Amino acid sequence: EVQLVESGGGLVQPGGSLRLSCAASGFTFSSYWMSWVRQAPGKGLEWVANIKQDGSEKYYVDSVKGRFTISRDNAKNSLYLQMNSLRAEDTAVYYCARERRSVVAHDYWGQGTLVTVSS
Amino acid sequence: SSELTQDPAVSVALGQTVRITCQGDSLRSYYASWYQQKPGQAPVLVIYGKNNRPSGIPDRFSGSSSGNTASLTITGAQAEDEADYYCNSRDSSGNHVYVFGTGTKVTVL
Repeated sequence: EVQLVESGGGLVQPGGSLRLSCAASGFTFSSYWMSWVRQAPGKGLEWVANIKQDGSEKYYVDSVKGRFTISRDNAKNSLYLQMNSLRAEDTAVYYCARERRSVVAHDYWGQGTLVTVSS
Repeated sequence: SSELTQDPAVSVALGQTVRITCQGDSLRSYYASWYQQKPGQAPVLVIYGKNNRPSGIPDRFSGSSSGNTASLTITGAQAEDEADYYCNSRDSSGNHVYVFGTGTKVTVL
């Protein structure tokens, strides 16, 4: 059974940092691109970033470029999102999701972890 | 970056058919996928590719596409189909970046 479990969310002050983790199981993690997707309270889904199987390619939505860094550790079956210079507008539930690139889909999602940026 | 536009809300009588649309330039080049999200839950993939359903998704869900518009149809809507629905595709500026639609709230009457 495919499982994605996020952790690391919490309350952080504006300008602060947080590192999210996503533990993957039930599939060959190193064979898939992975994404982070977020959802602000009461709002829609926003794709944030993705990373290639070997970590050699990474892409970001414009609003987080230069502040967020996606990474992975295939030996630990884990995906990460380092978030720096956090802003109030980064407040959201952050989901990790597995990509099915050939059909342009995210086929498995974690339950999400809430990040709140507030003083 | 490109946008994917959806109607904010639609309603459907129990057992009837509803179609949700998603418009965007990138849909001329890439498939759309569709997600169902119920309150407090993670999104669930319901349609991907040309018109494929993951295991466990009822066959009352179907997808289609024409030009810059992708559609999700629920034929014989059930009470449990009441949810938010989002489309998702690649950004038209490059094939590594994704974009989600604005979302449609489906109410089953």
